Amino acid sequence: EAGVAQSPRYKIIEKRQSVAFWCNPISGHATLYWYQQILGQGPKLLIQFQNNGVVDDSQLPKDRFSAERLKGVDSTLKIQPAKLEDSAVYLCASSPLRGGKNTEAFFGQGTRLTVV
Amino acid sequence: TQLLEQSPQFLSIQEGENLTVYCNSSSVFSSLQWYRQEPGEGPVLLVTVVTGGEVKKLKRLTFQFGDARKDSSLHITAAQPGDTGLYLCAGVKKNAGNMLTFGGGTRLMVKP
Repeated sequence: EAGVAQSPRYKIIEKRQSVAFWCNPISGHATLYWYQQILGQGPKLLIQFQNNGVVDDSQLPKDRFSAERLKGVDSTLKIQPAKLEDSAVYLCASSPLRGGKNTEAFFGQGTRLTVV
Repeated sequence: TQLLEQSPQFLSIQEGENLTVYCNSSSVFSSLQWYRQEPGEGPVLLVTVVTGGEVKKLKRLTFQFGDARKDSSLHITAAQPGDTGLYLCAGVKKNAGNMLTFGGGTRLMVKP
């Protein structure tokens, strides 16, 4: 079974530029998460989709971050304009629904963003 | 302030020692998961605990869910260098859209 695919693996941009990350979850997984992991910290949930609907985006800085899940499958996360403090690893994860509950989250390798 | 507080944040021990990592919250979770993360990789699930008071064992790792389903612990017996990594607890809140929220992590280093 193919895992969660993310691209690119690494990205370096200047502040005020824009950037987009792509995620292809495991086939059939209804739930898709985007997390931000700053060096030395645990992952912070940015947005959670169930199919193509948003379950929670309370911690997404909506003035600069946006995310969409195309047709309930692939997802993109965009930052515009980027700030220095956005430097982090952006992790995408997907989870199957069983009995209406999310079970194990399967993570991609992440995209390491450096804003200079 | 994080919903899940992990302690200690860092732990450096010698091979063969025992250790316990704690994950605490004031919130009740429908389940709690423990993940391990290696550098440059995403977290990988170790175990899920669902019932209050539940104990699960995975070789030298013992996981316990608190009776009130607010806290959990991970105990490693006779730690080995291969246990080195970032250990993360994550809680699922049933009435919050099944959101998966992570603690800050415990970075473990086991020296040979």
